[in-house]
Amino acid sequence: DAGITQSPRHKVTETGTPVTLRCHQTENHRYMYWYRQDPGHGLRLIHYSYGVKDTDKGEVSDGYSVSRSKTEDFLLTLESATSSQTSVYFCAIRDSLMNTEAFFGQGTRLTVV
Amino acid sequence: SQKIEQNSEALNIQEGKTATLTCNYTNYSPAYLQWYRQDPGRGPVFLLLIRENEKEKRKERLKVTFDTTLKQSLFHITASQPADSATYLCALDVRANNLFFGTGTRLTVIP
Repeated sequence: DAGITQSPRHKVTETGTPVTLRCHQTENHRYMYWYRQDPGHGLRLIHYSYGVKDTDKGEVSDGYSVSRSKTEDFLLTLESATSSQTSVYFCAIRDSLMNTEAFFGQGTRLTVV
Repeated sequence: SQKIEQNSEALNIQEGKTATLTCNYTNYSPAYLQWYRQDPGRGPVFLLLIRENEKEKRKERLKVTFDTTLKQSLFHITASQPADSATYLCALDVRANNLFFGTGTRLTVIP
């Protein structure tokens, strides 16, 4: 298995609170991604990073921010959690641009009550 | 609008038969197409990648076809086994910053 770890694996939080999810990789891959997976929508990209301090928005970035201060860590922050952000969040890494597979973490199940 | 559709949410098949899953897309021009397997409670795992100029790719019991004219990929599992039961996702590699995923087909292989 690719060395990619997400934490926490499960979290329940209250509406309006900030939440940070962490993705840690030991593969030294340049590209890192945060997806959310919801029934009927598949995996949708939230934010991605193409290097340290280099990030960009994906399809569903509203309400989320990210940071990457080191190659191995990519943090996803929900600035003020809402019930619509209840989802399963996956981090993924890729070694290079196209023509390469993505390696996924185990996922974080987030429930906002 | 852009869409990726996988033929059905769920597919049941008898053990030993060939399972065929479909991925259709509109308003994308992917250079590559990938297939992933996802088991409950786990992240997707890469299976196969096919380029736009390749018609077919095989890996053990898996076969993928890619028709850019029809905008369709077919994913076949031959001699299916109960252990093949999972959700299968297609993903379009359109540009460097993203893989666009379909919603998946949940395959159940019945012993």
